[in-house]
Amino acid sequence: LAKTTQPISMDSYEGQEVNITCSHNNIATNDYITWYQQFPSQGPRFIIQGYKTKVTNEVASLFIPADRKSSTLSLPRVSLSDTAVYYCLVVPIISGSARQLTFGSGTQLTVLP
Amino acid sequence: DGGITQSPKYLFRKEGQNVTLSCEQNLNHDAMYWYRQDPGQGLRLIYYSQIVNDFQKGDIAEGYSVSREKKESFPLTVTSAQKNPTAFYLCASSPHWLRDGSSYEQYFGPGTRLTVT
Repeated sequence: LAKTTQPISMDSYEGQEVNITCSHNNIATNDYITWYQQFPSQGPRFIIQGYKTKVTNEVASLFIPADRKSSTLSLPRVSLSDTAVYYCLVVPIISGSARQLTFGSGTQLTVLP
Repeated sequence: DGGITQSPKYLFRKEGQNVTLSCEQNLNHDAMYWYRQDPGQGLRLIYYSQIVNDFQKGDIAEGYSVSREKKESFPLTVTSAQKNPTAFYLCASSPHWLRDGSSYEQYFGPGTRLTVT
């Protein structure tokens, strides 16, 4: 079971780049890494997924080192509206068991003016 | 508009009563999920369904039941056997089951906040 560990909270200022790291030491060979954003009293929203190296989309980048034991979500030039909880979730593929689909406690990102 | 709907947004029940939470999706997704979220915590998986007429227990299935008689619907019943039912309940769906090479994005509904007193 790829348990994930993230910092509980982070503060940043508007316009800065924010990097949130997630540790997943027990990740299996075929598992994928996904990241979600959640605002209070709403369902999470998918941000990005990756397997190795770097993935970029219109809102974020995901960096995954060669050993895949961690991943870093990078948010460029954050704004106040990026204040939210960010979760990383390791998706089990080979075992196909969704019993392992448990989100960790997430990182509360607060963007200050 | 395609998406997932959950109703009602807020639900209040007395202890000892069963209650059913609705989840409907018009995304034509095969897989559906139910999660529970407690204040300040992450999401924990209650039940999941890979395809219609199939469902499996997640990490915290005790005190809950589900059905998947139609592809678009995955209702969750919180029974009186659930010791601490007060929580925020989230339903999600994904296009396919955990198939290699596909997108693993889960689409979440707006949630139902259940309060049992």
